[in-house]
Amino acid sequence: AQKVTQAQTEISVVEKEDVTLDCVYETRDTTYYLFWYKQPPSGELVFLIRRNSFDEQNEISGRYSWNFQKSTSSFNFTITASQVVDSAVYFCALSEARGQNFVFGPGTRLSVLP
Amino acid sequence: DSGVTQTPKHLITATGQRVTLRCSPRSGDLSVYWYQQSLDQGLQFLIQYYNGEERAKGNILERFSAQQFPDLHSELNLSSLELGDSALYFCASSLGDDSNQPQHFGDGTRLSIL
Repeated sequence: AQKVTQAQTEISVVEKEDVTLDCVYETRDTTYYLFWYKQPPSGELVFLIRRNSFDEQNEISGRYSWNFQKSTSSFNFTITASQVVDSAVYFCALSEARGQNFVFGPGTRLSVLP
Repeated sequence: DSGVTQTPKHLITATGQRVTLRCSPRSGDLSVYWYQQSLDQGLQFLIQYYNGEERAKGNILERFSAQQFPDLHSELNLSSLELGDSALYFCASSLGDDSNQPQHFGDGTRLSIL
C-alpha cells in the first residue's frame, strides 16, 4: 500500500529563514509520481511541483527547491529566505503510474513570522 | 484562478439528507477527481472520472456516488448524510488520465451537517 509521511506537523520560522519540509513515501511501484501542493489560509490547493520516479534531478524554482532521493524514499521541499506569504499547509502526495490513486500526506503547517 | 469551478461554496444541511456537489473542470481537461478533506482523515481521494467513465476509486463510501456528464462537468452525490460527512470537498481536473499530469483544484465546497 502506498503511504506518505510528513513527520513535521507544524513549523514556525522567522521571515528570511530557510526551512525544509520533509516527505517520506512508501510504494511498491517502480514508476510513480510525487507532488507538492500548498494550501494557504484561504483554503484552495495550489499545485507546486510534480516529479516522476525516474527523474532524480533536483529542481529549483525561485526560492523553492526540491530534493528527491530515491534511496531514502524522500522528496523534501526547501523554501529559501521564507516570507510571510509562504505561511500555509503544505501537502506531499504520491500517485501510482496508472490508476490515479493519489495518496496525500497529513500536511505540514508552516508559519512564517514577520 | 485554477479554472476549476465548484458550486456551491457552502452547504449546510441536516443528517439523513442528500446533497449534490457540482464541478466544472478547466477547459480542455478530461479528468475530474473528487477529494474529501476533514480534520480527522485529512485529504482523501474519493473517485476519478475520465471522459465520462469511472477510472479510479479511492475511499469513497457506498452512500456517495459520482458521475461525469458529456459536457465533462461532474457531480458528487452524498446521501444519508451523517455528522462525520462534514468536510471540505474538492474537485480537481487534469488533461488526461495519467497521473503524470498535475491536478488543478477548485476552491472546494464546505459541507456542514447539523
